[in-house]
Amino acid sequence: QQQVKQSPQSLIVQKGGISIINCAYENTAFDYFPWYQQFPGKGPALLIAIRPDVSEKKEGRFTISFNKSAKQFSLHIMDSQPGDSATYFCAASMSGGTSYGKLTFGQGTILTVHP
Amino acid sequence: NAGVTQTPKFRILKIGQSMTLQCTQDMNHNYMYWYRQDPGMGLKLIYYSVGAGITDKGEVPNGYNVSRSTTEDFPLRLELAAPSQTSVYFCASSLWEGETEAFFGQGTRLTVV
Repeated sequence: QQQVKQSPQSLIVQKGGISIINCAYENTAFDYFPWYQQFPGKGPALLIAIRPDVSEKKEGRFTISFNKSAKQFSLHIMDSQPGDSATYFCAASMSGGTSYGKLTFGQGTILTVHP
Repeated sequence: NAGVTQTPKFRILKIGQSMTLQCTQDMNHNYMYWYRQDPGMGLKLIYYSVGAGITDKGEVPNGYNVSRSTTEDFPLRLELAAPSQTSVYFCASSLWEGETEAFFGQGTRLTVV
């Protein structure tokens, strides 16, 4: 059962453009929504995360927008750079009990930023 | 500070062979996880542990076993390797309290032929 759906599978953006990746979740018990960035040959690394008590979180060029009623969240990369070319995963987890910290990942988006 | 260290980085197994993927972390994290990554499928949780001596199944545990005898180490055992276990395996760890940021190792690329 796929509880987090991510789109698009791949994305090509010109340098300086805006990259947008979307995710939708099903389980309303999720209360932590991170985005991970993965470069080839490396493990995923946390990029930015949000909890459902806020609708937006910004860190530098990276912004998460969160819509609790629609059960959707998205990653926006402003002024995209070639160095942002990587695979991006959205994820979700819930706090409490034995589910604490267990991340459910989306399928991933391969982002390519052309110079 | 090494973080999460996985060995080996690459391995080719023949069908029916067994092996252990090693994972160790030096951050004193209680929680540890094993994920497998397949193209277009994201990462799927195989097993996880909330502390030494405590393990539980994740989404795709069949064909794997784990143990957690110390806080630092969380090895993943493959018995009777099958081609379906060809994948990239990631070990991760996280703190008990606070933000549930997971720190990942660099992965083990396993091919079963």
